[in-house]
Amino acid sequence: QVQLQESGPGLVRASGTLSLTCTVSGGSVSSGSYYWNWLRQPPGKGLEWIGYVYFSGRTSYNPSLKSPGTISIDTSNNQFSLKLRSVTAADTAVYYCARGTIAARAVRFFDYWGQGILVTVSS
Amino acid sequence: EIVLTQSPATLSLSPGERATLSCRASESVSTYLAWYQQKPGQAPRLLIFDATNRATGIPARFSGSGSGTDFTLTISSLEPEDFALYYCQQRSIWPTFGQGTKVEVK
Repeated sequence: QVQLQESGPGLVRASGTLSLTCTVSGGSVSSGSYYWNWLRQPPGKGLEWIGYVYFSGRTSYNPSLKSPGTISIDTSNNQFSLKLRSVTAADTAVYYCARGTIAARAVRFFDYWGQGILVTVSS
Repeated sequence: EIVLTQSPATLSLSPGERATLSCRASESVSTYLAWYQQKPGQAPRLLIFDATNRATGIPARFSGSGSGTDFTLTISSLEPEDFALYYCQQRSIWPTFGQGTKVEVK
């Protein structure tokens, strides 16, 4: 059974950097069959895709986000990470990592999700 | 960007009743549409992918239909654990989600 677990600080100062890591167990981030994604959900709002990383290091980000940040992969530790710089209160959200299946170089759907981590940006 | 519009925003039903949730895309997404269920404090759970296929372990009372721009998620007979938020998601250049439909107890 594939499991994903987010980790990182739950509180980040405004204008600082949000750094989260997703550790995958029961599966390998080196698999060429999946994209490894970050999504977020502001309190009481809907879901927003941030971006993905492929095992090769190739990334794709949501073009509607002003600052999608940087997603990277660490195949030796079976992890992938998200860094968002210069955060504001608008970045306060539950952040999820998720595995995405692939269709024509796009994310087809998300079949496994982490439990989510609430990150609050404080002023 | 493809916009997904879900309706209704809230569906008030009783256990045992049939639930019909709608998702409309601003342009055709073929059958690349998924449905998720989310309960408070939990991550979304994949229910349906490619418009009509149930994900592993999803009960048969959940079914999906549609193609192009109009899609439906049907729960044939609501169980107590089905009262939750439901989102649709499309895959085009990048994935987007609808704003959600809340299925609540009447």
